[in-house]
Amino acid sequence: KQEVTQIPAALSVPEGENLVLNCSFTDSAIYNLQWFRQDPGKGLTSLLLIQSSQREQTSGRLNASLDKSSGRSTLYIAASQPGDSATYLCAVQSSGDKLTFGTGTRLAVRP
Amino acid sequence: DAGITQSPRHKVTETGTPVTLRCHQTENHRYMYWYRQDPGHGLRLIHYSYGVKDTDKGEVSDGYSVSRSKTEDFLLTLESATSSQTSVYFCAISRDPSYEQYFGPGTRLTVT
Repeated sequence: KQEVTQIPAALSVPEGENLVLNCSFTDSAIYNLQWFRQDPGKGLTSLLLIQSSQREQTSGRLNASLDKSSGRSTLYIAASQPGDSATYLCAVQSSGDKLTFGTGTRLAVRP
Repeated sequence: DAGITQSPRHKVTETGTPVTLRCHQTENHRYMYWYRQDPGHGLRLIHYSYGVKDTDKGEVSDGYSVSRSKTEDFLLTLESATSSQTSVYFCAISRDPSYEQYFGPGTRLTVT
């Protein structure tokens, strides 16, 4: 059974800092990995999708990498802003049509 | 934003009553999903649909049923609500499993 872990569970950084969020998964036979953002009381917003054949994806200040063999993905946020404060979730599709989610990293960016 | 709405957005109900949550999409995506989100458990898949009248169970399907009679609507029914089903329920859609999933705003359900 696929298990997804996100460390740390919470992170607080000053504005302007570059930061890395980590996601690890136990079964390396994945089809894709997706990063989401969730604001309090809201739904999930898709940030980046990495197919299993890809090593990384970029969108603006966000860069996600994937290392299937080691079961890891990182989300890099450059020049963090208070508006980046949210919970970040990763999810992997490893079989069938289903995603397995991590429990998230709660990020606070201090002005 | 993907065109996904959920109704109701909030509901309080009593133990033993039936409850139906509705997910509506305007994107004509084939796949639709129901998740629940609970502290400490993250998001867990309840049921999903891969076409009209085609559904399958997820990780936590006990006590839930679904129906999809039209591409745009996916209904989640709690036949007899229990307090353990107090949660936030999210609907999601995708064109294909290899594409992004897009989520609705959620329904907060409280069973007293």
